[in-house]
Amino acid sequence: EDQVTQSPEALRLQEGESSSLNCSYTVSGLRGLFWYRQDPGKGPEFLFTLYSAGEEKEKERLKATLTKKESFLHITAPKPEDSATYLCAVQRGSQGNLIFGKGTKLSVKP
Amino acid sequence: KAGVTQTPRYLIKTRGQQVTLSCSPISGHRSVSWYQQTPGQGLQFLFEYFSETQRNKGNFPGRFSGRQFSNSRSEMNVSTLELGDSALYLCASSPTSSVGNEQFFGPGTRLTVL
Repeated sequence: EDQVTQSPEALRLQEGESSSLNCSYTVSGLRGLFWYRQDPGKGPEFLFTLYSAGEEKEKERLKATLTKKESFLHITAPKPEDSATYLCAVQRGSQGNLIFGKGTKLSVKP
Repeated sequence: KAGVTQTPRYLIKTRGQQVTLSCSPISGHRSVSWYQQTPGQGLQFLFEYFSETQRNKGNFPGRFSGRQFSNSRSEMNVSTLELGDSALYLCASSPTSSVGNEQFFGPGTRLTVL
């Protein structure tokens, strides 16, 4: 059965304290792995797509990496505005539906 | 370019009623997917439409249905509402097929069933 597990469920950081969020997945025929950010009361905002093991993508303070079993979202020197829930999702085979993890709620204190 | 829009943003209904939610994708996007988000289950896929055809369907009862129009706008209908249908309903669009492509989400419709 396809499964996406994110850890930790919640993470509290001080401003400037770098850390990583984990997304482990079990899916047959990975088509792509997606990272989204969701603010309270809003829809998910697209961040990255990763397609194959070894791939890395960066955007400002965020860097996403992918292995055959998991993905990491590294946050370097976070700021309070990075506070949000970060969602990981996978697509498999020829199906376009996203299979989401439950998310990691990140809080960055000044 | 305008993003995905969803109407209404908030809705309150009672058990047994039916509801229709609307989604307008980003201009030029042809694929529209619908998701349900609840605190307990997270985001779950409902269905995807591409060029007015349902391409994929999630594991939801037949009370959940949808359609897509020739201008790519989509509607989702839930009949015989139950308390457990209270959720944030999200619509997402992709330029062509959603397979392998990022999906852009709207702000959602918050449905409360009393």
